Amino acid sequence: DIQMTQSPSSLSASVGDRVTISCRTSQSISNYLNWYQQKPGKAPKLLIYIASSLESGVPSRFSGSGSETDFTLTISSLQPEDFATYYCQQTYTSPRTFGQGTKVEV
Amino acid sequence: QVQLQESGPGLVRPSETLSLTCTVSGGSVSSDSYYWNWIRQPPGKGLEWIGYIYYSGSTNYNPSLKSRVNMSVDTSKNQFSLRLNSVTAADTAVYYCARDRATIIGDFHYYYMDVWGKGTTVTVSS
Repeated sequence: DIQMTQSPSSLSASVGDRVTISCRTSQSISNYLNWYQQKPGKAPKLLIYIASSLESGVPSRFSGSGSETDFTLTISSLQPEDFATYYCQQTYTSPRTFGQGTKVEV
Repeated sequence: QVQLQESGPGLVRPSETLSLTCTVSGGSVSSDSYYWNWIRQPPGKGLEWIGYIYYSGSTNYNPSLKSRVNMSVDTSKNQFSLRLNSVTAADTAVYYCARDRATIIGDFHYYYMDVWGKGTTVTVSS
């Protein structure tokens, strides 16, 4: 299985901050990398697919970058509704695997 | 727009079979454009992909669960289902169904889960 390692596991930030979350994979996955946001008690929501494509309806302050084994999710200016847990996921090969999550807190 | 809704028992006894159904509304499970996934999340933990099924009935399961999992699709009811047998407390989780959408670029197929159900909590306990 491809291992997904997110860092940090949690971070504290303030409204307006620029936030970056890293996702590293145990082997190259080209750009088969997706990012999801999950709020407590809710289902995950797709933010970014194919490493850098913004899902329709997702604010442009979210962006994704990277390829092969190193990927980054960036929130350019953190908003109150962005406090949540973020997961990366690879769909390069089966089984599909998720990172352990990064919790963004106040 | 497409919506997914999980349903099934919230409590399952150890060693018995967990059975869940996902009903698709606003779209068709028979579409050849999508795969249909099950994902679970134990309390306070991360996401685990269980597997997916295609409208034709072809499946792909996580090897960690493969020996206990069976998925099926009922196109007449616009539903797909999950069965997980011989459950233990470790199978206690929120179970989600989700649709796989694909973007095709040249020979490359990129999949991502763009529509999710709200999730249903399943507790394994006697």
